[in-house]
Amino acid sequence: GIQVEQSPPDLILQEGANSTLRCNFSDSVNNLQWFHQNPWGQLINLFYIPSGTKQNGRLSATTVATERYSLLYISSSQTTDSGVYFCAVGGAGSYQLTFGKGTKLSVIP
Amino acid sequence: ETGVTQTPRHLVMGMTNKKSLKCEQHLGHNAMYWYKQSAKKPLELMFVYNFKEQTENNSVPSRFSPECPNSSHLFLHLHTLQPEDSALYLCASSQDDINQPQHFGDGTRLSIL
Repeated sequence: GIQVEQSPPDLILQEGANSTLRCNFSDSVNNLQWFHQNPWGQLINLFYIPSGTKQNGRLSATTVATERYSLLYISSSQTTDSGVYFCAVGGAGSYQLTFGKGTKLSVIP
Repeated sequence: ETGVTQTPRHLVMGMTNKKSLKCEQHLGHNAMYWYKQSAKKPLELMFVYNFKEQTENNSVPSRFSPECPNSSHLFLHLHTLQPEDSALYLCASSQDDINQPQHFGDGTRLSIL
């Protein structure tokens, strides 16, 4: 099956700083989603982005499918951005998303 | 409010008990999913339902039994569970299939004594 690798595994930021999270995958995909899981366990869908670039407020994501990676950008980070960010992918004909192990982000005041 | 509601939020049960987890989605979606999230492991897909029909069972032990009476409701019936089944169980839905954004409930945190 597809392998998903996220980096870095842990990240500590000062409030107001910017960051880039990376997701590498081992095979071609037609489905890629970014999620944020807050410290209370709630999992929120941030982007559905199998290719191209999208922006939503302080967050943006870019997927370069031909090079098998996706990037999540967080600008002007806030303490509420803390949590774990997951990348999940699905290949053609796949019935499931394969999740990475996540990047744990801690934003300190 | 995520549009996907799970109950209960927390559940503690003995290995011989029978309990059920409930998921309800208010998004008009036709596909629903059960996931298991264990400590230090990626999310694992358990079951997939499309238009009330189970389309995938990801080699889940028979002590977990799903039920989907309609497109808005999904249950996970539990019986004779093991301590390693302690985890966060998450329900999700998407419009029609896997190739659309998935929306998750808040999960049920299950502890097996």
